[in-house]
Amino acid sequence: DTEVTQTPKHLVMGMTNKKSLKCEQHMGHRAMYWYKQKAKKPPELMFVYSYEKLSINESVPSRFSPECPNSSLLNLHLHALQPEDSALYLCASSQGTGTGNTGELFFGEGSRLTVL
Amino acid sequence: SQKIEQNSEALNIQEGKTATLTCNYTNYSPAYLQWYRQDPGRGPVFLLLIRENEKEKRKERLKVTFDTTLKQSLFHITASQPADSATYLCALDSRRNTPLVFGKGTRLSVIA
Repeated sequence: DTEVTQTPKHLVMGMTNKKSLKCEQHMGHRAMYWYKQKAKKPPELMFVYSYEKLSINESVPSRFSPECPNSSLLNLHLHALQPEDSALYLCASSQGTGTGNTGELFFGEGSRLTVL
Repeated sequence: SQKIEQNSEALNIQEGKTATLTCNYTNYSPAYLQWYRQDPGRGPVFLLLIRENEKEKRKERLKVTFDTTLKQSLFHITASQPADSATYLCALDSRRNTPLVFGKGTRLSVIA
């Protein structure tokens, strides 16, 4: 069982909806990540938080808004998404800081997002 | 341009044989390279990490090699089993000691 928990597992939303994806880890990791994965493609990095501060934003559209309320939680707020944003959204954490030696990533099971 | 290439999209192998997966990269100078396993609809699971100054790493039936001259890593599963069937992803730090960039993966099928 993964030690990174993501909710919801599945989400269907319209283009005008506002929703959030949530991620939680209790391993004391200092870095947390959001990756996006389309079918038969590799995970693509979106955001990195290091010590609860946004350290990397890989030019992600503003309709995706990350938030790190505390060291254990990571949210991804979604607004005015497009159908092409439908994908598996993966949260991960690492002992490394995210901008230094990352070390291994611990992934959650993902949230499968469908935008209608 | 920067590329991470895994030799084939799919690989079929007979149970008991050794599976060898290849990861080649271009225009990167990684400090380390990692291998992950991903089952359908699930998040990747870490398997092995190898650093630039290491030639080989082993864990149970798994072996990884790293050749920074050839810019290549090989991932071996010995005595393969049907339960080893999954997609295997290689990943490296895109700039020195920065978050991981993933290859497309190789879907391994071990046939009984």
